[in-house]
Amino acid sequence: QVQLVESGGGVVQPGRSLRISCEASGFTFSSDVMHWVRQAPGKGLEWVARISHDGSSIQYLDSVKGRLIISRDNSKSTLYLQMNSLRDEDTAVYYCAKDLGGSWALDYWGQGTLVTVSS
Amino acid sequence: DIVMTQSPLSSPVTLGQPASISCRSSQSLVNSDGNTYLSWLQQRPGQPPRLLIYKISNRFSGVSDRFSGSGAGTDFTLKISRVEAEDVGVYYCMQATQFPWTFGPGTKVDI
Repeated sequence: QVQLVESGGGVVQPGRSLRISCEASGFTFSSDVMHWVRQAPGKGLEWVARISHDGSSIQYLDSVKGRLIISRDNSKSTLYLQMNSLRDEDTAVYYCAKDLGGSWALDYWGQGTLVTVSS
Repeated sequence: DIVMTQSPLSSPVTLGQPASISCRSSQSLVNSDGNTYLSWLQQRPGQPPRLLIYKISNRFSGVSDRFSGSGAGTDFTLKISRVEAEDVGVYYCMQATQFPWTFGPGTKVDI
């Protein structure tokens, strides 16, 4: 069965960096588009970034461009989000999600990892 | 960016009765390829979101047939034919026709 397990969240000071990961199993990771979606405490969902199956095509939410970087290592079936110059408003649970190829929906989600930006 | 709105934002429901959630987009969700990339997700308390419906009306694998989606253009609806206790949670519509993908604010369904 499809499993997505995020890790690497924690408390970080404003302006600092953090990298979170999502380890995938139960499907052919190298064939699938992947996404990061976040949810601030008590708030709704916000799409953050998308990466094609081979990493050649990437899209970002405007407010994170230049600060958050999505990447993947298909040999490790792992998705990453490098988070730089963190701001208070980046505080959220970060979910990785698999793309329902060709149907542009998010069919499987991890449990999420909490990133708290606070001094 | 495409703005998604939902109504109602909160919906008290009665077990065994139908429920309906409306979603509206600020512009047409018909893609240049002719498809409409509107999906519905459910988020139960303390859980990650779960895909229910994609491309307006396609039920995802394992989703109860009590859930159905309809609509076109800018107006969409999720219907639950007979609400069960396990349906409690927040329901989001999401558009994937144009980047950035955007979600509605969510509709809280409780008994």
